[in-house]
This record gives sequence, C-alpha cells and structure tokens, in this order.
Amino acid sequence: AIRMTQSPSSFSASTGDRVTITCRASQGISSYLAWYQQKPGKAPKLLIYAASTLQTGVPSRFSGSGSGTDFTLTISCLQSEDFATYYCQQYQSYPQTFGQGTKVEIK
Amino acid sequence: EVQLVESGGGLVQPGRSLRLSCAASGFTFGDYGMHWVRQAPGEGLEWVSGINWNSRTIGYADSVKGRFTISRDNAKNSLYLQMNSLRAEDTALYYCGKGRLSGTTYFDYWGQGALVTVSS
Repeated sequence: AIRMTQSPSSFSASTGDRVTITCRASQGISSYLAWYQQKPGKAPKLLIYAASTLQTGVPSRFSGSGSGTDFTLTISCLQSEDFATYYCQQYQSYPQTFGQGTKVEIK
Repeated sequence: EVQLVESGGGLVQPGRSLRLSCAASGFTFGDYGMHWVRQAPGEGLEWVSGINWNSRTIGYADSVKGRFTISRDNAKNSLYLQMNSLRAEDTALYYCGKGRLSGTTYFDYWGQGALVTVSS
C-alpha cells in the first residue's frame, strides 16, 4: 500500500498567517491527490483534488501544489474558521490511503 | 441536494457480524463509485472499501480484507458494508462517501457516519 506522510502533525498559528502543510507519498502518484478539512464532530470536507484543483465553493485562500511524491496545501491568510485538521488522500490505486492528519490550532 | 445517510451501526461483541447501509439521494447513484471510510475515536481517517458503478471493481484495505464485503444496489440507491469477524480495532465511526469518479477517487460528499462499537 502507498504510505502517505504529512508534516507537521500539528502546529499553532495566528489569524492572518500563511501556513503550509506537506504530504509525501511513498511512491509516485502523479496528481491523484486530494485534501480535506475536518472540524470536530463533523464529516470531512473536500478542499482540493487532482493536487491543485479547488473544489467548488472553497475559498481561494486555499491552494494545492505538487506531483509525483511531494505535495503541499497552503492557506494564504488563515481565518478563524480554518482551525481544523487537514488530511491528504491518494487515489492513484487501491488501497486508497490517507495521511495521518495535521491539526492547525490557534496560537 | 446530495444526501448520504448511514444506518446499521451499534454495539456488537467481538467475532460477531454487522451490516451497514448507506441510503443515497440527490444524484444519479448508479453513475458513481461509492466508498466506506472509518475513523476510530480520536484518530485519523482510514479508507475501508470502495466499489465502482457496476460493482466490477472493488477494493479493500488490508485491515478488513477477507472479513468485510462491500456491495451496492443501484435500483435502491443504496450502498452496503457487511462486516464479519469484528474486532475491537474495528470500533469507529463509519462514513459513506460518494466518489467523483467511478473507480479510485476522491470524495465530494460524505454522510454523517454510523458508529460501530465492538466490545464484550
């Protein structure tokens, strides 16, 4: 199975900060990567697919980049509603796999 | 409006079975792959199983292979997960997810989850 490793696992940031989360695949997955946001007690929400395509309705402060094995999720100007846990997911092949998650907390 | 509603969760003893259902509405169910993703308490997301539109392509996580069976009934707009030989480590909230693509895919809609607790 393809292993997805996110870094960092958690960090603190302030409203207005630019933040970056990285996701590394154990083997090449082309651009078959998605990013999700999850808030406590809620189902995950799709943010980005195909590594860099913004899902309809997601604010433009979210962006994704990368291909092959290394990917990033960037939030250009952190808002209060962005404090959550973020997951990457590869869908290049079965079994599909998620990263372990990155929790973004308020500083 | 797309809706996914899971049912069938509950408390079950180790070694027993349980069947989850996911009722879909608001889209042409038979056109899309469907998946199960679970989340153990306080843990991250784990993909469990997926099935393409015509049930010809199915995948399972190694942790459930041989114990869980995914199926779908396009006439009833429903997805199922038959879980046998349940273990304590299967305790989780089980989400039904709609795939944007037919086979391996990302998930553009999620249900609210069905809680499965495996304990004696």
